[in-house]
Amino acid sequence: SSELTQDPAVSVALGQTVRITCQGDSLRMYHASWYQQKPGQAPVLVVYSENRRPSRIPDRFAGSSSGNTASLTITGAQAEDEAEYYCNSRASTNDRLVFGGGTKLTVL
Amino acid sequence: QVQLQESGPRVVKSSETLSLTCAVSGVSMNAYNWGWIRQPPGKGLEWIGYISDTGSTNYNPSLMSRVTMSIQTSRNQFSLQLSSVTAADTAVYFCARSFAGGSTIDYWGPGMLVAVSS
Repeated sequence: SSELTQDPAVSVALGQTVRITCQGDSLRMYHASWYQQKPGQAPVLVVYSENRRPSRIPDRFAGSSSGNTASLTITGAQAEDEAEYYCNSRASTNDRLVFGGGTKLTVL
Repeated sequence: QVQLQESGPRVVKSSETLSLTCAVSGVSMNAYNWGWIRQPPGKGLEWIGYISDTGSTNYNPSLMSRVTMSIQTSRNQFSLQLSSVTAADTAVYFCARSFAGGSTIDYWGPGMLVAVSS
């Protein structure tokens, strides 16, 4: 089982806004990072340090955090955003890294 | 630009040792951690561990007894060994770079499917 919990699946209408969440005790102490993975490809970092984006990532991706929950919000979802999204952080009990179980985003 | 590339045998026999190497190009290995993540077919990501540029290691406790990582900064590469493999170790193995002191993984290799055969 994962120390970070994500909803298995979320859907959003094209052009609408969707929020993907990640819950875990470690998020009270450590920032989450978010990764997008399309089938057959390696994950790509989309948000880190709660709300920073690599330069190549569109600004429709944004991160936030409150208490034990980190969120990835996509404003104006595009067809190419359909993918699996994973959060990660440090574990609360030791120094290891942990991943959430992933959320499959469907763009309708 | 930063590039990582995994290499090694794509099939490993049960009970033997899986050995992979990651070649790093476009960047110095200094001041980052270099690690491995795996993904069984149809499942989520599992962090295996990382090694710093100075050789300090941090392994997933669930795999610690079977994992060894090494780094050769002069050759811009690092390696993973996973001993006593079983079918449960069949996965796509990714090598990756992460921020020292943090959990963010900013560059990933394309991944390599390694199958454990009986």
